[in-house]
Amino acid sequence: AQSVAQPEDQVNVAEGNPLTVKCTYSVSGNPYLFWYVQYPNRGLQFLLKYITGDNLVKGSYGFEAEFNKSQTSFHLKKPSALVSDSALYFCAVRDGGNNRLAFGKGNQVVVIP
Amino acid sequence: EPEVTQTPSHQVTQMGQEVILRCVPISNHLYFYWYRQILGQKVEFLVSFYNNEISEKSEIFDDQFSVERPDGSNFTLKIRSTKLEDSAMYFCASNSPYSGNTIYFGEGSWLTVV
Repeated sequence: AQSVAQPEDQVNVAEGNPLTVKCTYSVSGNPYLFWYVQYPNRGLQFLLKYITGDNLVKGSYGFEAEFNKSQTSFHLKKPSALVSDSALYFCAVRDGGNNRLAFGKGNQVVVIP
Repeated sequence: EPEVTQTPSHQVTQMGQEVILRCVPISNHLYFYWYRQILGQKVEFLVSFYNNEISEKSEIFDDQFSVERPDGSNFTLKIRSTKLEDSAMYFCASNSPYSGNTIYFGEGSWLTVV
């Protein structure tokens, strides 16, 4: 069964500083990895994904993530955080053989002005 | 940009009542899903639906739950007899092999069971 770990509950960062949200995963087959963002009282908004190819993937709003197979990680990064990036971030994985997504518990990101 | 739409956005129902949550997936998508998120907890998979039948379901999706695609556009989740612990945000989602394997989610339907 696939699973995701997001070890931190909350990530605090000053505006303009680099932002990193950590994610490690476990799957039996090839991982399909995703990051979603959830703003208060809103749905899950797709940010970026890794399916195959270049380990560094770029997504919406200046976010990027690096797939590291040996460390089974897919950390989300942004070089310079904005106050508007404050939200709940979910890492998710699915095994390439099925369509079921397994989500991490989410990380609350707070960007301090 | 096409999106998944869900109705209602919020519903309050009494325990034991039946609830139907409605979704219009993205029009050319073939796979449909329901997920739920209990307040403060992680998003959990409920069921996937393809070619007019359930393709996979989780242990949460018991006999109280059912899904249906009554016409060419709608996808519904029915909870037959709601319990307090069914209170959650329910997300509909869809994808297609041609959408690059990305699963797109709707805004969610808040269900409060009192």
